Amino acid sequence: AAGVIQSPRHLIKEKRETATLKCYPIPRHDTVYWYQQGPGQDPQFLISFYEKMQSDKGSIPDRFSAQQFSDYHSELNMSSLELGDSALYFCASTTRGGDTDTQYFGPGTRLTVL
Amino acid sequence: AQTVTQSQPEMSVQEAETVTLSCTYDTSENNYYLFWYKQPPSRQMILVIRQEAYKQQNATENRFSVNFQKAAKSFSLKISDSQLGDTAMYFCAFKRSTNQAGTALIFGKGTTLSVSS
Repeated sequence: AAGVIQSPRHLIKEKRETATLKCYPIPRHDTVYWYQQGPGQDPQFLISFYEKMQSDKGSIPDRFSAQQFSDYHSELNMSSLELGDSALYFCASTTRGGDTDTQYFGPGTRLTVL
Repeated sequence: AQTVTQSQPEMSVQEAETVTLSCTYDTSENNYYLFWYKQPPSRQMILVIRQEAYKQQNATENRFSVNFQKAAKSFSLKISDSQLGDTAMYFCAFKRSTNQAGTALIFGKGTTLSVSS
């Protein structure tokens, strides 16, 4: 079965640079979520999109922005990167309908800021 | 605000034994979903099992089962016949049931489970 695809899988950036993370949801999934997981921590919700509109917002820094496109893929744009942004960034997808609304996670993008 | 608490940072078990991971949560909601996710050393987040709060019957998936106590706000995971491949971090997660799409998961801090031979 097709899964959530994230690219790149690994990314190394310098402080103050920008980064773009991409997420391709499971086919026919219309809702995308972004989570940030720091070392040894639990995943923290950043933002979600449903049908190309922002749906819910968590602890996303103002330096970050995201959007969902007409093909339902999503991009997380990160500017003025800081050392503390080094983390594993997960994308998850789901679809409305069904009785569980279960989120399925991609493999993550490991971002290292030097 | 909802919170999820996993009181066991680390646990260990021998192969073929049974282990139970604890999770409690706090919410004023009546309808919600609860999940256990597994994160092995590869860091992939894998769904283990899910429970709808309106269902009294405990969910079961092969060797994995839950003990859902709604009044006590408790949601423990039992792993039977533990295998080496069960070694991972296990996260308990809560999600409100709402008409709004895109509602976030709230995770506990996780329990690291080590299975040894």
